[in-house]
Amino acid sequence: GQQVMQIPQYQHVQEGEDFTTYCNSSTTLSNIQWYKQRPGGHPVFLIQLVKSGEVKKQKRLTFQFGEAKKNSSLHITATQTTDVGTYFCAGKTSYDKVIFGPGTSLSVIP
Amino acid sequence: EAGVTQFPSHSVIEKGQTVTLRCDPISGHDNLYWYRRVMGKEIKFLLHFVKESKQDESGMPNNRFLAERTGGTYSTLKVQPAELEDSGVYFCASSQGGTRAAKNIQYFGAGTRLSVL
Repeated sequence: GQQVMQIPQYQHVQEGEDFTTYCNSSTTLSNIQWYKQRPGGHPVFLIQLVKSGEVKKQKRLTFQFGEAKKNSSLHITATQTTDVGTYFCAGKTSYDKVIFGPGTSLSVIP
Repeated sequence: EAGVTQFPSHSVIEKGQTVTLRCDPISGHDNLYWYRRVMGKEIKFLLHFVKESKQDESGMPNNRFLAERTGGTYSTLKVQPAELEDSGVYFCASSQGGTRAAKNIQYFGAGTRLSVL
């Protein structure tokens, strides 16, 4: 069946280092969304990418959607302790179904 | 504007008992989704309502799970009888719906943590 994979599963970084999580789908997506879940919290919508090759920035966060609309990445520059949490990508398929990736858990060491 | 609300926030029940989870979506949102996250693993899709109709229930694990959305407003998810493996956090999300991408952003509730002992 259709799958959305994410790597790495876990990432520990020193505060100030950069962080990147990658999302790959087995099928072409109509759009992709990114969510952040703080420890003990619920997923909170960050951004949605729709166009092939699209790049969006939110302060220190940069989101990319691949040319083939099958992969995406989230890059955080100069991580801070407030960035701690699990980052999920969620791909919307041509069948209008949203499939979440397993998430990347980010730990930031002060 | 109120967000997606879920009740209860935490439920502890014994194996074999029944539990009903409730989700109130954002007012005016036609789409309502149920998800489950077990043991810190990925968020798994359970069910998608469009108004009162079940659009996709391919993620429902078995017939012990019953979801309803009477009148197209709030939704309930009943587990009967509950088993140990049903423990996890159940999230509800809603979206406005429509062809524009922005209307398909899902807004999540805080979740219900279900513990089956």
